[in-house]
Amino acid sequence: GQNIDQPTEMTATEGAIVQINCTYQTSGFNGLFWYQQHAGEAPTFLSYNVLDGLEEKGRFSSFLSRSKGYSYLLLKELQMKDSASYLCAVMDSNYQLIWGAGTKLIIKP
Amino acid sequence: TAGITQAPTSQILAAGRSMTLRCTQDMRHNAMYWYRQDLGLGLRLIHYSNTAGTTGKGEVPDGYSVSRANTDDFPLTLASAVPSQTSVYFCASSDEGQANEQFFGPGTRLTVL
Repeated sequence: GQNIDQPTEMTATEGAIVQINCTYQTSGFNGLFWYQQHAGEAPTFLSYNVLDGLEEKGRFSSFLSRSKGYSYLLLKELQMKDSASYLCAVMDSNYQLIWGAGTKLIIKP
Repeated sequence: TAGITQAPTSQILAAGRSMTLRCTQDMRHNAMYWYRQDLGLGLRLIHYSNTAGTTGKGEVPDGYSVSRANTDDFPLTLASAVPSQTSVYFCASSDEGQANEQFFGPGTRLTVL
């Protein structure tokens, strides 16, 4: 079966750095996405990785290792507005997105 | 720019009744999707459409139907609602099929009693 695993909840301090991990087992791989979802709102796109390595975009970076079935999202200089759920999704061989349950990130002052 | 709109925002529905959730996008995206999101679970694909005139089944299609008469609209119909269909429903669209980011509508919160 297809499976995406990520921690249910994480807590971090304002100004700090946090890494959210995602491991996956899917039938085929056509890229990995990270989305941010604030409570009561729609998911919004953060990043896309299809090749191994690190993609940096401002305070957010995303890493992919296809051989290990592993990705992480790195958030630097945390702000209170970063409190949200972070969703990992993998595009499988049928070009359908398989979604993890999301990691709820709580930022404390 | 509107992006993707969904209606209604929320609805309480009696079991056995039918309902259509509306979704409209103004980005001229070819592909559109319907997901449901339940607590503790990832988004699950109900139905999708790669282009106007075609539709396909996702992971959880039972009890739902869709149509894609034109590029902009992708309604989702529940023919006879059951309590297990209580969920938040998101419509999404993407350009040129699947390998691009999906843009989501604001969601419809549906409660079936």
